[in-house]
Amino acid sequence: EDKVVQSPLSLVVHEGDTVTLNCSYEVTNFRSLLWYKQEKKAPTFLFMLTSSGIEKKSGRLSSILDKKELFSILNITATQTGDSAVYLCAVYSSNTGKLIFGQGTTLQVKP
Amino acid sequence: SQTIHQWPATLVQPVGSPLSLECTVEGTSNPNLYWYRQAAGRGLQLLFYSVGIGQISSEVPQNLSASRPQDRQFILSSKKLLLSDSGFYLCAWSVGLYVSTEAFFGQGTRLTVV
Repeated sequence: EDKVVQSPLSLVVHEGDTVTLNCSYEVTNFRSLLWYKQEKKAPTFLFMLTSSGIEKKSGRLSSILDKKELFSILNITATQTGDSAVYLCAVYSSNTGKLIFGQGTTLQVKP
Repeated sequence: SQTIHQWPATLVQPVGSPLSLECTVEGTSNPNLYWYRQAAGRGLQLLFYSVGIGQISSEVPQNLSASRPQDRQFILSSKKLLLSDSGFYLCAWSVGLYVSTEAFFGQGTRLTVV
């Protein structure tokens, strides 16, 4: 059965802290892994990862994929209150078109 | 450019009433289409997905159904709503079956069954 598991489910940190969010997966015909940030309504896209070991970076956020161990991490450095959100990981299966999400990690950044 | 429209934004329906949520995509052809449901503070549960007209895959057995009457139209329906159908429903699309791209989301429908 295809599945995506995120950890931790929730996290509370203070501004300036660094956080690491985890995503492990089991899916047939893996094609890509996606990270999203969701604040109020629709998730907003952060990264798409298809190859192992290649870090994607955008400002204070970065992510990397390990296709051998079947997981990805999302790092946020120097957190700000605006980083408070639900972070979602999703995996796409190319032969079926299925896109499945994990449970999400709720991050709260306190001033 | 591509856009996705999902409506209505909010909906309050009595138990036992029917449901129809619609999602349309513009600016692309033969997209993959998805319906998700999200409980408060939780991840996205995949309900249905479609890789072509008339091709619907169901992930969760329930009293919901989906249809794709046109290439860029995806409809989520129910004949009789249950209290447990309350939640935030999101429609999404992505490009093609064998192409790695991000998925693009509609603004969501918050459904409350009373």
